Amino acid sequence: GAVVSQHPSWVICKSGTSVKIECRSLDFQATTMFWYRQFPKQSLMLMATSNEGSKATYEQGVEKDKFLINHASLTLSTLTVTSAHPEDSSFYICSASYGTGTGYTFGSGTRLTVV
Amino acid sequence: QKEVEQDPGPLSVPEGAIVSLNCTYSNSAFQYFMWYRQYSRKGPELLMYTYSSGNKEDGRFTAQVDKSSKYISLFIRDSQPSDSATYLCAMSIKISSGSARQLTFGSGTQLTVLP
Repeated sequence: GAVVSQHPSWVICKSGTSVKIECRSLDFQATTMFWYRQFPKQSLMLMATSNEGSKATYEQGVEKDKFLINHASLTLSTLTVTSAHPEDSSFYICSASYGTGTGYTFGSGTRLTVV
Repeated sequence: QKEVEQDPGPLSVPEGAIVSLNCTYSNSAFQYFMWYRQYSRKGPELLMYTYSSGNKEDGRFTAQVDKSSKYISLFIRDSQPSDSATYLCAMSIKISSGSARQLTFGSGTQLTVLP
């Protein structure tokens, strides 16, 4: 149980275009979702936290106008990288919470390459 | 100083060896401690979760927490080549009543188990 499906698993886009990444909780309602980015050989860096039906809370240094997060339902959250640039190339991972305690499950990640 | 420190390795051991992975932390408010395993280009998967100081065992894995020293460990017995991955420690505090806790990750230790 507690599976999060993340799509796409990889995407290549041209500089200046926008890319949308989806995370769906398949068998539970995700009250909170977290979005991370991970550079090669580095740990996960939290970008933002979103609760269903409310605006996302962004970490310091993360541009909220560039990384648009929508969590309109308890089973779907999306991250849109707007006007992507090569420096946005990274591994993006979502995580969903299904309650208190250890209720975190991660998506399989999306490798974004901006050319 | 980072809130969570983890030796990035890389760590190479022969098959069958006992592996010891460690993290230290500075924030005494951390209440929950987790170990995740991450294979290349995949999302992290939860291995172990602990709350109180002491040991917790699950198969070949033992998680140890020493809150007085702010030190946690993961031991892997009879290591296998399939254990080769990056191991991330993660910790959390309660961010608000009814909300999910935000995870703070260590930098990850890259482990290779040689056949």
